[in-house]
Amino acid sequence: QQQVKQSPQSLIVQKGGISIINCAYENTAFDYFPWYQQFPGKGPALLIAIRPDVSEKKEGRFTISFNKSAKQFSLHIMDSQPGDSATYFCAATQLQGAQKLVFGQGTRLTINP
Amino acid sequence: GAVVSQHPSRVICKSGTSVKIECRSLDFQATTMFWYRQFPKQSLMLMATSNEGSKATYEQGVEKDKFLINHASLTLSTLTVTSAHPEDSSFYICSARDTIGFTGELFFGEGSRLTVL
Repeated sequence: QQQVKQSPQSLIVQKGGISIINCAYENTAFDYFPWYQQFPGKGPALLIAIRPDVSEKKEGRFTISFNKSAKQFSLHIMDSQPGDSATYFCAATQLQGAQKLVFGQGTRLTINP
Repeated sequence: GAVVSQHPSRVICKSGTSVKIECRSLDFQATTMFWYRQFPKQSLMLMATSNEGSKATYEQGVEKDKFLINHASLTLSTLTVTSAHPEDSSFYICSARDTIGFTGELFFGEGSRLTVL
């Protein structure tokens, strides 16, 4: 089965700290790896995404690190703020074909003030 | 960015009734929309892929006769939960991809919370 494994399940970080969430995938055909942020009662919103031809992508305080050989990618949130408290999902898909997203299990992030 | 609208955002119904949820792409055309189901504190599980003008493709274990999907236009897909039961209570989320300006990004709706009494 095409799985994406995400860890940790929950994470508590102090304000100003770095939040790190990790994901691992199995299917080497995946070529698009987005991260989504979801607040309670809302749909997920795209945060940042990466293609496997680069090892890192940075957008503001959010950085994706991608290790193709290890089939792992991670989200780093720098200078974490209480407003970042949400559930984060990694995902993966093939841009050709059905393009179905496979989601990780989610990480509930809490930023303490 | 592109907007996907879902309606209703919340619905409560009695057991045995049917409920229809709409998913609209407001400023782009979407030949393909996806329907997800999310239980509390769990991840999104893909239920089906909705294709404009053709039958939906259901994931394994999803009853196509219970979850009817219609994608009659490039901007509207509907999910009808037929003969709903309490175990169907969940958060249903749709997503759509811009057909023309495809960048890989999926735009998600705000979700519809279904409660079956």
